[in-house]
Amino acid sequence: EVQLVQSGVEVKKSGESLRISCKGSGYSFTSYWISWVRQMPGKGLEWMGRINPSDSYINYSPSSEGHVSMSVDKSINTVYLQWSSLQASDTAMYYCTRLVGAAENWGQGTLVTVSS
Amino acid sequence: DIQMTQSPSSLSASVGDRVTITCRASQGIGNYLAWYQQKPGKVPKLLIYTASTLQSGVPSRFSGSGSGTDFTLTINSLQPEDVATYYCQKYNSAPLTFGPGTKVDIK
Repeated sequence: EVQLVQSGVEVKKSGESLRISCKGSGYSFTSYWISWVRQMPGKGLEWMGRINPSDSYINYSPSSEGHVSMSVDKSINTVYLQWSSLQASDTAMYYCTRLVGAAENWGQGTLVTVSS
Repeated sequence: DIQMTQSPSSLSASVGDRVTITCRASQGIGNYLAWYQQKPGKVPKLLIYTASTLQSGVPSRFSGSGSGTDFTLTINSLQPEDVATYYCQKYNSAPLTFGPGTKVDIK
Protein backbone atom coordinates (compact mmCIF):
# COMPACT_ATOMS: atom_id res chain seq x y z
CA GLU A 1 0.00 0.00 0.00
CA VAL A 2 1.31 3.41 -0.98
CA GLN A 3 1.66 5.71 2.01
CA LEU A 4 2.90 9.23 2.51
CA VAL A 5 3.42 10.02 6.19
CA GLN A 6 4.07 13.61 7.15
CA SER A 7 5.64 15.09 10.23
CA GLY A 8 3.48 16.50 13.00
CA VAL A 9 1.94 19.81 13.96
CA GLU A 10 4.29 22.78 14.22
CA VAL A 11 3.82 25.99 16.19
CA LYS A 12 6.48 28.61 15.47
CA LYS A 13 7.16 32.31 15.69
CA SER A 14 7.78 34.72 12.84
CA GLY A 15 11.39 34.69 11.76
CA GLU A 16 12.03 31.12 12.89
CA SER A 17 13.13 28.36 10.56
CA LEU A 18 11.27 25.13 9.96
CA ARG A 19 11.60 21.87 8.08
CA ILE A 20 8.67 19.49 7.62
CA SER A 21 8.93 16.03 6.15
CA CYS A 22 7.07 13.51 4.03
CA LYS A 23 8.10 9.86 4.05
CA GLY A 24 7.01 7.59 1.23
CA SER A 25 6.55 3.85 1.43
CA GLY A 26 4.94 1.04 -0.52
CA TYR A 27 6.33 2.06 -3.91
CA SER A 28 9.57 2.82 -5.73
CA PHE A 29 10.37 6.13 -4.05
CA THR A 30 12.68 7.49 -6.75
CA SER A 31 10.22 6.77 -9.60
CA TYR A 32 7.63 9.43 -8.81
CA TRP A 33 7.77 13.15 -8.26
CA ILE A 34 6.51 14.51 -4.94
CA SER A 35 4.68 17.81 -4.84
CA TRP A 36 3.78 20.11 -1.98
CA VAL A 37 0.37 21.77 -1.69
CA ARG A 38 -0.57 24.57 0.66
CA GLN A 39 -4.03 25.20 2.05
CA MET A 40 -4.42 28.35 4.09
CA PRO A 41 -7.25 28.39 6.65
CA GLY A 42 -10.60 28.36 4.87
CA LYS A 43 -8.99 28.67 1.46
CA GLY A 44 -8.33 26.54 -1.60
CA LEU A 45 -5.45 24.34 -2.68
CA GLU A 46 -2.25 26.00 -3.89
CA TRP A 47 0.47 24.07 -5.68
CA MET A 48 3.86 25.04 -4.27
CA GLY A 49 6.21 22.93 -6.33
CA ARG A 50 7.52 19.45 -6.98
CA ILE A 51 10.73 17.54 -6.55
CA ASN A 52 12.04 14.54 -8.42
CA PRO A 53 13.47 12.23 -5.74
CA SER A 54 15.70 10.55 -8.31
CA ASP A 55 17.82 13.59 -9.16
CA SER A 56 16.47 16.34 -6.84
CA TYR A 57 15.28 18.40 -9.82
CA ILE A 58 12.74 20.95 -8.56
CA ASN A 59 10.02 23.09 -10.06
CA TYR A 60 8.75 25.85 -7.78
CA SER A 61 5.56 27.82 -8.26
CA PRO A 62 6.17 31.52 -8.90
CA SER A 63 4.70 32.39 -5.50
CA SER A 64 6.87 29.87 -3.62
CA GLU A 65 10.19 30.43 -5.35
CA GLY A 66 12.65 32.13 -3.03
CA HIS A 67 10.53 31.63 0.07
CA VAL A 68 10.69 27.87 0.56
CA SER A 69 13.08 25.15 -0.44
CA MET A 70 12.52 21.49 -1.16
CA SER A 71 14.98 18.66 -0.71
CA VAL A 72 15.13 14.88 -0.59
CA ASP A 73 17.00 12.19 1.31
CA LYS A 74 16.74 9.08 -0.85
CA SER A 75 18.36 6.91 1.81
CA ILE A 76 15.28 7.26 4.00
CA ASN A 77 12.63 7.86 1.31
CA THR A 78 11.88 11.31 2.65
CA VAL A 79 11.17 14.67 1.06
CA TYR A 80 11.40 17.96 2.96
CA LEU A 81 9.86 21.40 2.73
CA GLN A 82 11.87 24.10 4.48
CA TRP A 83 11.60 27.75 5.44
CA SER A 84 14.53 29.85 6.64
CA SER A 85 12.36 32.65 8.00
CA LEU A 86 8.68 31.98 8.62
CA GLN A 87 6.01 34.62 8.29
CA ALA A 88 2.54 34.70 9.82
CA SER A 89 1.16 34.25 6.30
CA ASP A 90 2.80 30.79 6.20
CA THR A 91 0.13 29.55 8.62
CA ALA A 92 -1.51 26.74 6.70
CA MET A 93 -1.96 23.02 6.22
CA TYR A 94 0.73 21.56 3.99
CA TYR A 95 0.22 18.35 2.03
CA CYS A 96 2.72 16.26 0.14
CA THR A 97 1.42 14.27 -2.81
CA ARG A 98 2.80 11.53 -5.02
CA LEU A 99 2.46 12.48 -8.66
CA VAL A 100 1.41 9.78 -11.08
CA GLY A 101 0.67 12.51 -13.56
CA ALA A 102 -2.02 13.78 -11.22
CA ALA A 103 -1.70 13.70 -7.43
CA GLU A 104 -2.75 10.12 -6.82
CA ASN A 105 -1.71 9.84 -3.17
CA TRP A 106 -1.73 12.45 -0.41
CA GLY A 107 -0.10 12.69 2.95
CA GLN A 108 -2.24 13.36 5.99
CA GLY A 109 -1.10 16.99 6.10
CA THR A 110 1.12 19.01 8.42
CA LEU A 111 -0.47 21.97 10.16
CA VAL A 112 1.93 24.88 10.57
CA THR A 113 0.93 27.80 12.76
CA VAL A 114 3.13 30.89 12.83
CA SER A 115 2.52 33.62 15.37
CA SER A 116 3.79 37.13 15.03
CA ASP B 1 1.61 30.76 -16.73
CA ILE B 2 -1.71 29.09 -17.44
CA GLN B 3 -4.58 30.15 -15.18
CA MET B 4 -7.39 27.85 -14.11
CA THR B 5 -10.92 29.06 -13.40
CA GLN B 6 -13.97 27.19 -12.14
CA SER B 7 -17.65 27.92 -12.17
CA PRO B 8 -19.76 28.19 -10.22
CA SER B 9 -17.84 28.95 -7.04
CA SER B 10 -20.60 27.27 -5.06
CA LEU B 11 -23.86 25.49 -5.66
CA SER B 12 -26.67 23.95 -3.71
CA ALA B 13 -28.62 21.05 -5.17
CA SER B 14 -31.09 18.41 -4.06
CA VAL B 15 -30.31 14.76 -3.49
CA GLY B 16 -30.67 12.98 -6.80
CA ASP B 17 -29.95 16.06 -8.91
CA ARG B 18 -27.40 16.13 -11.68
CA VAL B 19 -24.60 18.59 -10.91
CA THR B 20 -22.13 20.03 -13.41
CA ILE B 21 -18.98 21.96 -12.57
CA THR B 22 -16.92 23.69 -15.22
CA CYS B 23 -13.16 24.24 -15.30
CA ARG B 24 -11.43 26.40 -17.86
CA ALA B 25 -7.73 26.75 -18.66
CA SER B 26 -6.40 30.01 -20.09
CA GLN B 27 -4.46 27.99 -22.70
CA GLY B 28 -4.80 24.50 -24.05
CA ILE B 29 -3.64 21.69 -21.80
CA GLY B 30 -4.68 18.68 -23.86
CA ASN B 31 -6.37 16.26 -21.50
CA TYR B 32 -3.94 16.76 -18.61
CA LEU B 33 -6.69 17.69 -16.20
CA ALA B 34 -7.54 16.15 -12.85
CA TRP B 35 -10.45 16.60 -10.47
CA TYR B 36 -10.20 16.29 -6.69
CA GLN B 37 -12.78 16.10 -3.96
CA GLN B 38 -12.13 17.55 -0.51
CA LYS B 39 -14.70 16.85 2.14
CA PRO B 40 -14.81 19.20 5.14
CA GLY B 41 -11.82 18.65 7.39
CA LYS B 42 -10.42 15.87 5.20
CA VAL B 43 -7.50 15.29 2.87
CA PRO B 44 -8.21 15.89 -0.83
CA LYS B 45 -8.84 12.81 -2.93
CA LEU B 46 -8.22 12.22 -6.62
CA LEU B 47 -11.49 11.57 -8.48
CA ILE B 48 -10.65 11.83 -12.17
CA TYR B 49 -7.46 12.10 -14.23
CA THR B 50 -6.73 12.62 -17.92
CA ALA B 51 -9.97 14.62 -17.92
CA SER B 52 -12.27 11.62 -18.02
CA THR B 53 -10.67 8.55 -16.38
CA LEU B 54 -12.26 7.59 -13.09
CA GLN B 55 -9.79 6.82 -10.31
CA SER B 56 -10.17 3.33 -8.87
CA GLY B 57 -12.85 3.14 -6.22
CA VAL B 58 -14.64 6.35 -7.21
CA PRO B 59 -18.40 5.89 -7.68
CA SER B 60 -19.59 5.78 -11.27
CA ARG B 61 -21.97 8.71 -10.71
CA PHE B 62 -18.88 10.90 -11.15
CA SER B 63 -17.73 11.59 -14.69
CA GLY B 64 -15.45 14.02 -16.46
CA SER B 65 -15.18 15.34 -19.97
CA GLY B 66 -13.40 17.90 -22.08
CA SER B 67 -10.05 18.65 -23.64
CA GLY B 68 -8.01 21.67 -24.59
CA THR B 69 -9.35 24.50 -22.47
CA ASP B 70 -12.83 23.48 -21.33
CA PHE B 71 -13.63 20.68 -18.93
CA THR B 72 -16.59 19.51 -16.89
CA LEU B 73 -17.13 17.35 -13.83
CA THR B 74 -20.59 15.84 -13.58
CA ILE B 75 -22.16 14.19 -10.58
CA ASN B 76 -25.18 12.16 -11.65
CA SER B 77 -27.65 11.75 -8.82
CA LEU B 78 -26.05 13.83 -6.08
CA GLN B 79 -25.73 12.03 -2.76
CA PRO B 80 -25.36 13.49 0.76
CA GLU B 81 -21.82 12.14 0.96
CA ASP B 82 -20.86 14.24 -2.08
CA VAL B 83 -20.94 17.43 0.00
CA ALA B 84 -17.43 18.73 -0.60
CA THR B 85 -15.31 21.24 -2.43
CA TYR B 86 -14.16 20.14 -5.88
CA TYR B 87 -10.94 21.33 -7.48
CA CYS B 88 -9.57 20.94 -10.96
CA GLN B 89 -5.82 20.89 -11.61
CA LYS B 90 -3.73 21.04 -14.76
CA TYR B 91 -0.70 18.81 -14.89
CA ASN B 92 0.63 19.04 -18.42
CA SER B 93 3.61 21.07 -17.22
CA ALA B 94 4.74 23.06 -14.18
CA PRO B 95 3.26 24.95 -12.47
CA LEU B 96 0.55 22.38 -11.74
CA THR B 97 -2.07 25.00 -10.97
CA PHE B 98 -5.33 24.25 -9.16
CA GLY B 99 -8.61 25.92 -9.89
CA PRO B 100 -10.18 27.99 -7.08
CA GLY B 101 -12.67 25.28 -6.15
CA THR B 102 -16.43 24.73 -6.27
CA LYS B 103 -18.27 24.12 -3.03
CA VAL B 104 -21.20 21.71 -3.34
CA ASP B 105 -23.83 21.29 -0.69
CA ILE B 106 -27.31 19.83 -0.35
CA LYS B 107 -30.38 22.02 -0.65
